[in-house]
Amino acid sequence: DTAVSQTPKYLVTQMGNDKSIKCEQNLGHDTMYWYKQDSKKFLKIMFSYNNKELIINETVPNRFSPKSPDKAHLNLHINSLELGDSAVYFCASSQLDRGYVVGELFFGEGSRLTVL
Amino acid sequence: AQTVTQSQPEMSVQEAETVTLSCTYDTSESDYYLFWYKQPPSRQMILVIRQEAYKQQNATENRFSVNFQKAAKSFSLKISDSQLGDAAMYFCAYRRRRGAQGGSEKLVFGKGTKLTVNP
Repeated sequence: DTAVSQTPKYLVTQMGNDKSIKCEQNLGHDTMYWYKQDSKKFLKIMFSYNNKELIINETVPNRFSPKSPDKAHLNLHINSLELGDSAVYFCASSQLDRGYVVGELFFGEGSRLTVL
Repeated sequence: AQTVTQSQPEMSVQEAETVTLSCTYDTSESDYYLFWYKQPPSRQMILVIRQEAYKQQNATENRFSVNFQKAAKSFSLKISDSQLGDAAMYFCAYRRRRGAQGGSEKLVFGKGTKLTVNP
């Protein structure tokens, strides 16, 4: 019973296309994240949502648009894909308690995006 | 801004021996978490160990232990009796406990250390 699940796990597409990655967590957490891992394995946060509200929006191109229909789901849509978007995208979730972080992030398995 | 530095891009260890991975961080906060995550070739991010900054006692999880030096801002991971399954990328990470808006607080990662275990 997967705690944080992402689909698809692999995605190969052409430059200029639009694609989406979906994420769902069944941990009852109220905060979800998107992280990008580049070819050098560096992990960097992109976005964070807390109870469907955007909390963190790092310097990410406007072509990337997160959407959180409810606190258990956080999707990532990417328009006009570029070669540099090729990476592994990780979804994660965690819990807050009255504004304080409680513990660690739980990660999905990652979605490897390859742009040709 | 908080930063996490892992000065060893690669390390290797013989099976059954002990290895220590280094991590330093920079913060002006006093209340935070530190973590070590493991990423095997399957790319799943797996939590290895967690340390709350207010706890003086070093965290341990079976063969994994940390040396947390708060004043020095150092957080090293020791793996004892290394096993072939320990081969992976290891990431040190920092997370402030309370966000500026009292909301979500991001996890900041180091660049990782690739650990090879030799049979």
